[in-house]
Amino acid sequence: QQPVQSPQAVILREGEDAVINCSSSKALYSVHWYRQKHGEAPVFLMILLKGGEQKGHDKISASFNEKKQQSSLYLTASQLSYSGTYFCGTEGEGTGGFKTIFGAGTRLFVKA
Amino acid sequence: NAGVTQTPKFRVLKTGQSMTLLCAQDMNHEYMYWYRQDPGMGLRLIHYSVGEGTTAKGEVPDGYNVSRLKKQNFLLGLESAAPSQTSVYFCASSYSGVLFFGSGTQLSVL
Repeated sequence: QQPVQSPQAVILREGEDAVINCSSSKALYSVHWYRQKHGEAPVFLMILLKGGEQKGHDKISASFNEKKQQSSLYLTASQLSYSGTYFCGTEGEGTGGFKTIFGAGTRLFVKA
Repeated sequence: NAGVTQTPKFRVLKTGQSMTLLCAQDMNHEYMYWYRQDPGMGLRLIHYSVGEGTTAKGEVPDGYNVSRLKKQNFLLGLESAAPSQTSVYFCASSYSGVLFFGSGTQLSVL
């Protein structure tokens, strides 16, 4: 079952912050975040394992609340290069950690 | 080091024709995947493999078959193509849960 992402799309000005949410109806083993630029393949950003950890990557960070089966991606002081579609991918408990199911994506556009 | 390579990059088929998409990875990864991407629906898992000689169904397996005869290759077959299979197909391999994607195949079925 696909995780649900919100919002579907967001437009930012350079320097603004954004939050993208991902929720699942199933208990999760891990949450992944990927970014895809137009016409290209998705690229890995980060993975969060069960345990409620928060990770950061430059000015992009994420949290994972396993009790609520939710994850959020935080983009701080957005740059033009952040534009693209962000996908969360989830692995349910008991799947062995190798079957990632993706949400429908959040389109992010950063303008100057 | 090429990573994940997909062939062909583009293909146009007529309804009822068959074809095979080839995915090759040179990272010695055990796990490989086929996803399809359609507007507004994200990436949907078609089939996957957890090792040479193994395959398993994903979310949308109907109309597709796969084979993993060699560890480095994962083939996706369409026996009788339908317009609903028009999509962009991505192959991926994974290590420690991280997916490495190929550049994709744009398939149109007329």
